[in-house]
Amino acid sequence: AQSVTQLGSHVSVSEGALVLLRCNYSSSVPPYLFWYVQYPNQGLQLLLKYTSAATLVKGINGFEAEFKKSETSFHLTKPSAHMSDAAEYFCAVSVAGTYKYIFGTGTRLKVLA
Amino acid sequence: DSGVTQTPKHLITATGQRVTLRCSPRSGDLSVYWYQQSLDQGLQFLIQYYNGEERAKGNILERFSAQQFPDLHSELNLSSLELGDSALYFCASSVGAPSGFTDTQYFGPGTRLTVL
Repeated sequence: AQSVTQLGSHVSVSEGALVLLRCNYSSSVPPYLFWYVQYPNQGLQLLLKYTSAATLVKGINGFEAEFKKSETSFHLTKPSAHMSDAAEYFCAVSVAGTYKYIFGTGTRLKVLA
Repeated sequence: DSGVTQTPKHLITATGQRVTLRCSPRSGDLSVYWYQQSLDQGLQFLIQYYNGEERAKGNILERFSAQQFPDLHSELNLSSLELGDSALYFCASSVGAPSGFTDTQYFGPGTRLTVL
């Protein structure tokens, strides 16, 4: 069965510092992986997705993620944090053949001035 | 603005009652998804509809039901409400391609349900 694990429910970085949010997946078949962002009092918005094409995926707002099969990881990074990046980030996997989506527990990113 | 609308924004009701949450997908989207977000359970996939038919079922309780109408809007019905049903309920929509595993989902702003 597919699953995702997000390490760190809260991450704090200084403005201008590297953002690294961790996501590990478990899947017996090639997974499709997603990162979504949720700003306060809003719904989720797609940042990027991996669909078995390029392993390095670029998304919106300067975010990118790299699919590493050997490490079963899909970590989200951004070279330089901005105050507006403060939000909750969710990693998700789509369960092949079922149309179900499994979301991680989320990581709340705080950006310090 | 994702283009997905949900009504009402807030709902306060009592235990044992029944409520209906409504979702209108983005224009052209055939798939609708329902999620429950709570502090203790996180974001849980409930159910998906594609062009009026149920396509996938997640952790949806038997007290909950949903449907998608011919105009593609969807309703989530919650009955015999319990305190633990208090949560944010999101609807999302997607194009609904045949291989919909890679669909981008567009989320509505959510309905906050409070059961007293």
